[in-house]
Amino acid sequence: RKEVEQDPGPFNVPEGATVAFNCTYSNSASQSFFWYRQDCRKEPKLLMSVYSSGNEDGRFTAQLNRASQYISLLIRDSKLSDSATYLCVVTLNTGGFKTIFGAGTRLFVKA
Amino acid sequence: DVKVTQSSRYLVKRTGEKVFLECVQDMDHENMFWYRQDPGLGLRLIYFSYDVKMKEKGDIPEGYSVSREKKERFSLILESASTNQTSMYLCASRGGINTGELFFGEGSRLTVL
Repeated sequence: RKEVEQDPGPFNVPEGATVAFNCTYSNSASQSFFWYRQDCRKEPKLLMSVYSSGNEDGRFTAQLNRASQYISLLIRDSKLSDSATYLCVVTLNTGGFKTIFGAGTRLFVKA
Repeated sequence: DVKVTQSSRYLVKRTGEKVFLECVQDMDHENMFWYRQDPGLGLRLIYFSYDVKMKEKGDIPEGYSVSREKKERFSLILESASTNQTSMYLCASRGGINTGELFFGEGSRLTVL
């Protein structure tokens, strides 16, 4: 079983739609959680950190459920520029703070 | 801004050749990482380092080694390249907060013939 699992998609949505991505992690030593965004042929970049209380950044909302070992990302009012791959990322608090990436969920937003 | 620089964007090597991939960061970060990225598999951790001369195996270290002689530089070495090491290689660094953001280089696309 992969340590971080995501639905690979692709998700094809129209502009203005709300889309939700889910992610599960298996290691209970997971300490920090993030969503990264990766555009085609580019390097990943941090989109937002994920906190237990939930956090919002404009149209983006991230949630963490430690009991279920589940992370989510909600994008409201999708824009064409949101088209990218979204990577769920977990850092462990053991072994030198190893950081593990999910395989990513591809999003296409259509006009 | 943090700058992570990978020495080569594109390389083509032959099976059995020794390959060096260099990565330099300019923000005095303690942690550095090497990942490879393949379609459908995402980023997989090869090796990481949390201090000079320190290294830890990631999930797929076989066929690779690393060197961290200076804080700013983390090198990935393929002692004898094989075709299954054809991939995109991404270097990343992270600052003193061990659980903080990773900053990536632009990647090195390696093709082994």
